[in-house]
Amino acid sequence: AQTVTQSQPEMSVQEAETVTLSCTYDTSESNYYLFWYKQPPSRQMILVIRQEAYKQQNATENRFSVNFQKAAKSFSLKISDSQLGDTAMYFCAFDTGKLIFGQGTTLQVKP
Amino acid sequence: SAVISQKPSRDICQRGTSLTIQCQVDSQVTMMFWYRQQPGQSLTLIATANQGSEATYESGFVIDKFPISRPNLTFSTLTVSNMSPEDSSIYLCSVTTGVGGYTFGSGTRLTVV
Repeated sequence: AQTVTQSQPEMSVQEAETVTLSCTYDTSESNYYLFWYKQPPSRQMILVIRQEAYKQQNATENRFSVNFQKAAKSFSLKISDSQLGDTAMYFCAFDTGKLIFGQGTTLQVKP
Repeated sequence: SAVISQKPSRDICQRGTSLTIQCQVDSQVTMMFWYRQQPGQSLTLIATANQGSEATYESGFVIDKFPISRPNLTFSTLTVSNMSPEDSSIYLCSVTTGVGGYTFGSGTRLTVV
């Protein structure tokens, strides 16, 4: 069965600094999608970034980038120039035809 | 991508009663997904709803407790039946937006007293 693991329940970072959130997953499939979602206190799930497994190039969206290591089944999220609005819970998710979520990491950006 | 309107946004219910949550999508979608998010925790898939067929439930969730309706390609409901305080959670619906994408409703915060 596919599983997604986020080993950092909580993290904090100073405004304008860089932070990396970790995610590992387990699957026997060769082609799939991985996602990072953000959930602020409003509880709306917001897509941060998406990675297709067959693409070796790491996805980037403005201040957000991933380090995708397919062989290691690792998918970390780097947030550069952290902003107060980045404070939220972040979920790593694996697409099996339905989304399987990790446990989540609560990120606090401090002024 | 699709836009989902989810109602109600929150409710406080008496134990033993039922609540029906609605999700309306602005475009036709094949599959809709219902998730539960218990306080401070991650999202757990309850079931997948296809139009014209019975919903497929994940392990630990049963139709008698969480009946789902999917009358057409733009609408679905989830009912939380015979509620207890343990059902207090956020419930979210989701749809696929094409290859490699999912959109979520804004969630329903349910409190059972």
